[in-house]
Amino acid sequence: ELKVEQNPLFLSMQEGKNYTIYCNYSTTSDRLYWYRQDPGKSLESLFVLLSNGAVKQEGRLMASLDTKARLSTLHITAAVHDLSATYFCAVDIFTGNQFYFGTGTSLTVIP
Amino acid sequence: DVKVTQSSRYLVKRTGEKVFLECVQDMDHENMFWYRQDPGLGLRLIYFSYDVKMKEKGDIPEGYSVSREKKERFSLILESASTNQTSMYLCASNRDSRYEQYFGPGTRLTVT
Repeated sequence: ELKVEQNPLFLSMQEGKNYTIYCNYSTTSDRLYWYRQDPGKSLESLFVLLSNGAVKQEGRLMASLDTKARLSTLHITAAVHDLSATYFCAVDIFTGNQFYFGTGTSLTVIP
Repeated sequence: DVKVTQSSRYLVKRTGEKVFLECVQDMDHENMFWYRQDPGLGLRLIYFSYDVKMKEKGDIPEGYSVSREKKERFSLILESASTNQTSMYLCASNRDSRYEQYFGPGTRLTVT
């Protein structure tokens, strides 16, 4: 069974600081997705990483994928309050269409 | 833009009732998915469908069934609702497994 672990589960950080969220998974995959969920809302796609070494950036968020280490990171640069949300990673394995989601990281950015 | 819509945002049902949750996508996607989301457990896949009339069990199919009679519509059915099915239900779709899933707004179901 594929396991997807995120850490930390909860993150409280001050505005202007940098931090990294980690996503580890337990089986071979070269497809990883990051989503954002605001309270009471649905999931919004942030990044799609489709190969080893892939790096994507959007504003203050940067995601990377290391398939050999089975690790993806979501780096936050100079956090602002608007980034407060829950972030999920999801992994797709080769044998079918099923995504496996991490448990999410709840991020709170404090002014 | 891809749009995934769900029939209800909030639903309250009684134990033992039959419940239908409907999902419609407008981008001609092949694959559709039903998840439930519970605090501390993340998203768990209930069922998915990769074609009309085709379905596959996910991780937690017990107590649920699905129907996909048309490509754009995927229904989740709770045959006899129970209180442990109180949850947020999310529908999603994608073109194929190389693409991200697009999510609907969710249905918060309460079973009393």
